[in-house]
Amino acid sequence: EVQLVESGGGLVQPGGSLRLSCAASGFTFSSFWMSWVRQAPGKGLEWVANINQDGSEKYYVDSVKGRFTISRDNAKNSLYLQMSSLRAEDTAVYYCARDDRRSHEYWGQGTLVTVSS
Amino acid sequence: DIQMTQSPSSLSASVGDRVTITCRASQTIGSYLNWYQQKPGKAPKLLIYAASSLQSGVPSRFSGSGSGTDFTLTISSLQPEDFATYYCQQTYSAPLFGGGTKVEIK
Repeated sequence: EVQLVESGGGLVQPGGSLRLSCAASGFTFSSFWMSWVRQAPGKGLEWVANINQDGSEKYYVDSVKGRFTISRDNAKNSLYLQMSSLRAEDTAVYYCARDDRRSHEYWGQGTLVTVSS
Repeated sequence: DIQMTQSPSSLSASVGDRVTITCRASQTIGSYLNWYQQKPGKAPKLLIYAASSLQSGVPSRFSGSGSGTDFTLTISSLQPEDFATYYCQQTYSAPLFGGGTKVEIK
């Protein structure tokens, strides 16, 4: 069974940093692109970033370029999102997702990031 | 940049109704269009990928159609568990979701 479990969310002050993790199990992690998708409270879905199988390709939504870094550790079956210079508008539930056939096939349960003073 | 316009933003329907949700891209995206269902407090669930391919395990009352710029999600006979919010997403370029359609009970 495919499982994705996010962790690392919490309350952080504007300008602060946070690192999200996603632990994957039930599939060959190193064979799939992975994504982070977020959802602000009461709002719609927004793709944030994705990464290819060996970490050599990374793409970001414009609003997080230069502030967020996606990475992965295939030996640990883990996906990460390093977030810095956080803003109030980054407040959201962050989901990790396994990508296949240019879609987000499996999703984690999400972790809430709140940026507030 | 590609824009995705989903309509309606909400609708009220009864169990057994046929429901249609549309998604329009501002430029052609081929068949790189996915549909997701999200229930309150839960992660989204993939229903349809590549415009018309049914994800494994998804009931056959869900179907998708379209290509180019205009796409449709159809629920042939609405069931109680289908009341949720539905999102389209293009993956022709940087992934982008539509604004969502909330399907409510009439």
